[in-house]
Amino acid sequence: GAGVSQSPSNKVTEKGKDVELRCDPISGHTALYWYRQSLGQGLEFLIYFQGNSAPDKSGLPSDRFSAERTGGSVSTLTIQRTQQEDSAVYLCASSRDRPNQPQHFGDGTRLSIL
Amino acid sequence: QQQVKQSPQSLIVQKGGISIINCAYENTAFDYFPWYQQFPGKGPALLIAIRPDVSEKKEGRFTISFNKSAKQFSLHIMDSQPGDSATYFCAAKVGLNNFNKFYFGSGTKLNVKP
Repeated sequence: GAGVSQSPSNKVTEKGKDVELRCDPISGHTALYWYRQSLGQGLEFLIYFQGNSAPDKSGLPSDRFSAERTGGSVSTLTIQRTQQEDSAVYLCASSRDRPNQPQHFGDGTRLSIL
Repeated sequence: QQQVKQSPQSLIVQKGGISIINCAYENTAFDYFPWYQQFPGKGPALLIAIRPDVSEKKEGRFTISFNKSAKQFSLHIMDSQPGDSATYFCAAKVGLNNFNKFYFGSGTKLNVKP
């Protein structure tokens, strides 16, 4: 079946521009997560959506970062006024709303800020 | 602070050898411990997972050993193959009010030499 789909796969933009990253989770998965992975580093939690509950935004590094999830499915991560330190791979994962369900990851969006 | 500590950062093993990656945690509320395998340019993929009421889980050449009292768990890859060369992440999940939050280790880059 279809996995988690992220687009674009690569994004190059100039410092100061806004970017939008998209995530299509697996159908039926109510939980959706965004992570940031810098080169050779681990996964940094950004935000977590679970059904209709208020999202856990505790990992967003600054107010330039925001995310929304429309209709409980597709999610968009927006970075405003991008900085060079925002360069990283942004990963999206989804999972079922049941105990001990693993996360299924997309292949990420590689964001490069010039 | 880092919730899950992973070591070593990198590992070189000869083909046929045993690869061992260790993780430690402090939060006793963690109730699910997955391991992920990540190849370059791809998202992490679930490899094997364990619950804290089990001391060992084996799937093919991959085994998780879990020591609840020591708050440590490890991944053993038996008969390591060059195709196992990848980055491995341990993770731990805490569930609260139907929110499942995952914490990841910093990753171990495994290189299996032919």
